Amino acid sequence: DSGVTQTPKHLITATGQRVTLRCSPRSGDLSVYWYQQSLDQGLQFLIQYYNGEERAKGNILERFSAQQFPDLHSELNLSSLELGDSALYFCASSPTGTRGTDTQYFGPGTRLTVL
Amino acid sequence: DAKTTQPTSMDCAEGRAANLPCNHSTISGNEYVYWYRQIHSQGPQYIIHGLKNNETNEMASLIITEDRKSSTLILPHATLRDTAVYYCIVRVTQTQTGSARQLTFGSGTQLTVLP
Repeated sequence: DSGVTQTPKHLITATGQRVTLRCSPRSGDLSVYWYQQSLDQGLQFLIQYYNGEERAKGNILERFSAQQFPDLHSELNLSSLELGDSALYFCASSPTGTRGTDTQYFGPGTRLTVL
Repeated sequence: DAKTTQPTSMDCAEGRAANLPCNHSTISGNEYVYWYRQIHSQGPQYIIHGLKNNETNEMASLIITEDRKSSTLILPHATLRDTAVYYCIVRVTQTQTGSARQLTFGSGTQLTVLP
């Protein structure tokens, strides 16, 4: 158990809909990362937040957005869903600290199926 | 982050040591070598990381060559539960609090532990 929790575990929805994925980082971790894993793309970085502020963006679609709240949990919002958005979505968190100590720990993921 | 090259797949007999190689010939002086593994559709699990010295923890050992252009992850007594995709990632770690960067995953090595 990494200490990172994600809800829900599974989500089935229809094209055009909007969903929200939730992540709670490990206690004390200020950084949260979102990754997408689809069959043909592998694990891809989407976005990073640090203490409520966006820090880095990867291959995140404009239909997707995220935020990190004052209690440090994060939500990933996916809208106008398409079939190709079906994937596993992972959240990771890392501690603050000095160089070499920012190891990322991953949650169990949310499996999104768009029908 | 420097690119890594790993074999696509490897087999190992249960109870034997599993040695997973990784080439990172373009690694720079401030980049660490990280190893993660992913057991089928679960969240990636952190294993170990190092800069230039060999490292050991309860899960594995990491051997980094003197020129740092390659490394080997060693699982000393592989079990069936070690069957997973193993990712070698080279990454600059944070130089100041909050500057941590995302992980870039390649295709990894599918390790199959055989009974």
